[in-house]
Amino acid sequence: NAGVTQTPKFQVLKTGQSMTLQCAQDMNHNSMYWYRQDPGMGLRLIYYSASEGTTDKGEVPNGYNVSRLNKREFSLRLESAAPSQTSVYFCASSAGPFNYGYTFGSGTRLTVV
Amino acid sequence: GQQLNQSPQSMFIQEGEDVSMNCTSSSIFNTWLWYKQDPGEGPVLLIALYKAGELTSNGRLTAQFGITRKDSFLNISASIPSDVGIYFCALGNTGTASKLTFGTGTRLQVTL
Repeated sequence: NAGVTQTPKFQVLKTGQSMTLQCAQDMNHNSMYWYRQDPGMGLRLIYYSASEGTTDKGEVPNGYNVSRLNKREFSLRLESAAPSQTSVYFCASSAGPFNYGYTFGSGTRLTVV
Repeated sequence: GQQLNQSPQSMFIQEGEDVSMNCTSSSIFNTWLWYKQDPGEGPVLLIALYKAGELTSNGRLTAQFGITRKDSFLNISASIPSDVGIYFCALGNTGTASKLTFGTGTRLQVTL
C-alpha cells in the first residue's frame, strides 16, 4: 500500500551543493511529475515524464534535471543548489494520458542556506 | 502561461458552517479538479469535473464546472475539524501527459 515514496523527507543544503531527490511508485503508472510548493504560489510543475524514456520541462525547470530511471522511478537533481530552491518538493504519478487522478508522495522539505 | 485565480486565500470558520471557494481561469479548459492537502502530506483528489455545467458531489463536498468553462466552485457543507487543510483547484490539459496546473490554494481553518 505504498503508492508514491519520496526520499529524503527533509534536507538542508549549503549554496552550491548538489543532491538528488528520489521518487518511486508501485502502481504501474505511466506518467510521473515533479512539483514544487511555495507559500502563496500553489504547486508549480518542474519536470514531467509522460512515459518511460521521455522527460519534458514544466513551468519552472531552471536549475533542475531529471531522470526517468525506469517505469517506477523518477529522480530530480539539483546540480548547484541556490536559496531560491528552498521549497517543498512533491513527486506524483498518474496512469497516463487524460488521467488526472494523481497520487502524490508526502513531499521533501528542502532548505538551502 | 495559464492564469488560474483561486479565492479566498484563507478562511476561518466555525465547526458546522458551510464553506464555498472558487477558481477562475483565463482560458477554457476541459477538466477541472479539486484536491485537498492535509498538513504535512501531498494533495489528494476530491472531485473531478469533465463537462461544462456538471455538478458532482462527494459526501459533504459539492463541486460544479461552470457553464463558461472558465470557472469552478467547491462547497463544503457542515464543516468538521478534519476539513482543515489547503484546497487546490487544478486544470487538466488535453495533451498526452495529463499535466495539471494548480491554483494557489485556499487554506481552511475550522474552529470548534
